[in-house]
Parts: sequence; C-alpha cells; structure tokens
Amino acid sequence: EIVLTQSPGTLSLSPGERATLSCRASQNVRSDFIGWYQQAPGQAPRLLIYGASKRATGIPDRFSGSGSGTDFTLSITRLEPEDFAVYYCQEYGTSQTFGQGTKVEIK
Amino acid sequence: QLRLRESGPGLLKPSETLSLTCTVSGGTIDSSSYFWGWIRQPPGKGLEWIGSIFYNGVTYYNTSVKSRVTISVDTSKREFSLNLNSVTAADTAVYYCARHLGCINGVCYDAFDVWGQGTWVTVSS
Repeated sequence: EIVLTQSPGTLSLSPGERATLSCRASQNVRSDFIGWYQQAPGQAPRLLIYGASKRATGIPDRFSGSGSGTDFTLSITRLEPEDFAVYYCQEYGTSQTFGQGTKVEIK
Repeated sequence: QLRLRESGPGLLKPSETLSLTCTVSGGTIDSSSYFWGWIRQPPGKGLEWIGSIFYNGVTYYNTSVKSRVTISVDTSKREFSLNLNSVTAADTAVYYCARHLGCINGVCYDAFDVWGQGTWVTVSS
C-alpha cells in the first residue's frame, strides 16, 4: 500500500500570500494518479487537481499542481479568504489512499 | 447538475450493521463512464476510502474493511448502498458517497469529482 505524507501539518499565512503544500509518496506514483482536494470546515471535500497538474472543472487558476515520482506539490498563489481550509492529496491508481492533510490557516 | 445524497441511521450500537444509501439525481447512475464510491472521515481525522462500485455491480474494496463491507447498486432507483457489519466505535465517522471522475482522453482518473454532503454515523452503546 502506498503511504502519502503531507507537509507541513499546518501552514500559517496571510491573505494574498503564496502557499506551497507537499505530498510525498512511499514509492513511485504515476502522475496520472495523484489528486488534491480542499475541505472547508463542515463541508465535503472538493476536487481541485487530478492527474497531478490538471485543474478540475471550475477551479480557479491560482491553484496549480506539479510533481512526479514520489514528490508532488500543490501551490496556491495569492491566498483568498475562502482558501483557508484543509488540503488532502490522494493516490488513486494503486491503493486509493489519502494523505493526512495540511491545514492552511490565517496568520 | 449531478447531486448525491446520503441517507441512513445516524446511531448504531456495537456489533450492528451500518446501512447507508446514496441517491443520485440530476444524472444517470448506469453510465459506463463512472464508478461510484464511499469514503469516510472519523471525527477530527482524515479521509479513508471504503470501496467503489460500477453500474453493473463490479466492486472493489479497501482491504482494511473488505471482510465486513458490501456495496451494491440499484440502477432503477438511481441508488447505491453501503453495508458494513459488526461495527465498533472505530467506525464512527462522517460517511460520504462520491462519483469517480472517469476516463478523459484515454486515461482513467479515479479521483472523486462529485460528493454528497456527508452523513454522520455514531456507534455507541
């Protein structure tokens, strides 16, 4: 089973700043099989990125994904108030596993 | 617009069977393009995929619950269901149903693009 480790656990930033979230896999993962989700408090997760770098329908272009092999990154340029939430990465090609999450909080 | 809605009992006793239904509206469940899945989230914790089903009944499950779980589909009712037996307090969670994204340009992405709002299930004596 592939294990995904996200870092940092919490990211404290101000609106307008850039956020960089990391997701490291325990073994090589095909880029097609990495996704990223945003979960606001009390809400269901929302798909942001699939295939490591493809934005899902309706996702603003301030969200971008990158990476390959075992290291993947979600970047959010110019944080908006609604972007402060918990973010999860997911591997769905082999074992359908999620990372433990990174909380982006207001500094 | 496709919508998913979970329904079922919110409180169970240990050893009982959890039964939830996901009703699909605004779209079809019997498309050959999509799998449909269940995911849960214990209080204050992360997401755990439980299992998924195709419209023709093909299923695949998380090995951590495989011995206790059954997912079924009723296309005539536009529903798919989750049964999890012998529940314990560790099964207390918000349970979500969701649709897999499907295949695009020949590549199949099993990310979840449409989610229900989730339903709380508490297991307590």
